Amino acid sequence: QKEVEQDPGPLSVPEGAIVSLNCTYSNSAFQYFMWYRQYSRKGPELLMYTYSSGNKEDGRFTAQVDKSSKYISLFIRDSQPSDSATYLCAMSYNQAGTALIFGKGTTLSVSS
Amino acid sequence: EAGVAQSPRYKIIEKRQSVAFWCNPISGHATLYWYQQILGQGPKLLIQFQNNGVVDDSQLPKDRFSAERLKGVDSTLKIQPAKLEDSAVYLCASRGTGGAYEQYFGPGTRLTVT
Repeated sequence: QKEVEQDPGPLSVPEGAIVSLNCTYSNSAFQYFMWYRQYSRKGPELLMYTYSSGNKEDGRFTAQVDKSSKYISLFIRDSQPSDSATYLCAMSYNQAGTALIFGKGTTLSVSS
Repeated sequence: EAGVAQSPRYKIIEKRQSVAFWCNPISGHATLYWYQQILGQGPKLLIQFQNNGVVDDSQLPKDRFSAERLKGVDSTLKIQPAKLEDSAVYLCASRGTGGAYEQYFGPGTRLTVT
């Protein structure tokens, strides 16, 4: 079993839809949970991070962490064509700068 | 603030040839990472530097890959000899004094081994 599982999709939605992206993980030692967005032929860019369990909202994006279920989610409201990208979940054991463990990424396409 | 710079952006080589990638991190960032991203996969750490010392190279195939970070700034990653399975995007990331999540990635070098 991989440490981080993420459905690669692809996921296609119409503009304005609510998008739900998810990851599961096996190692309960993970404490920090991140979502990165990666456009084609670009490096990943950090969207949001969450420490431990709970919700975090930033504009149209909401990140949720449920440590009891080892499940994290990213919701995108009012999706736009510019949201079309690959979304990578990533996790870390601590804040000390250890390398991130990434999921495979989910490819999202938002059509206008 | 300038981002992480990488070069070349693209490289095509034949198997058994050697290749080198260069990374210039964000100014002042002490931690530098090299990740390998195979098509359809998430990035996987190859090596992590703190200043010019290696923190983690447990997943670096040391029989063919090497990396250095002279003077704690720029870094180079080398593959010699390359194999077909080395075809991937090689991402460099750097981090300052922030948390693990504050890793900033460069655009990557896309390597194709034929």
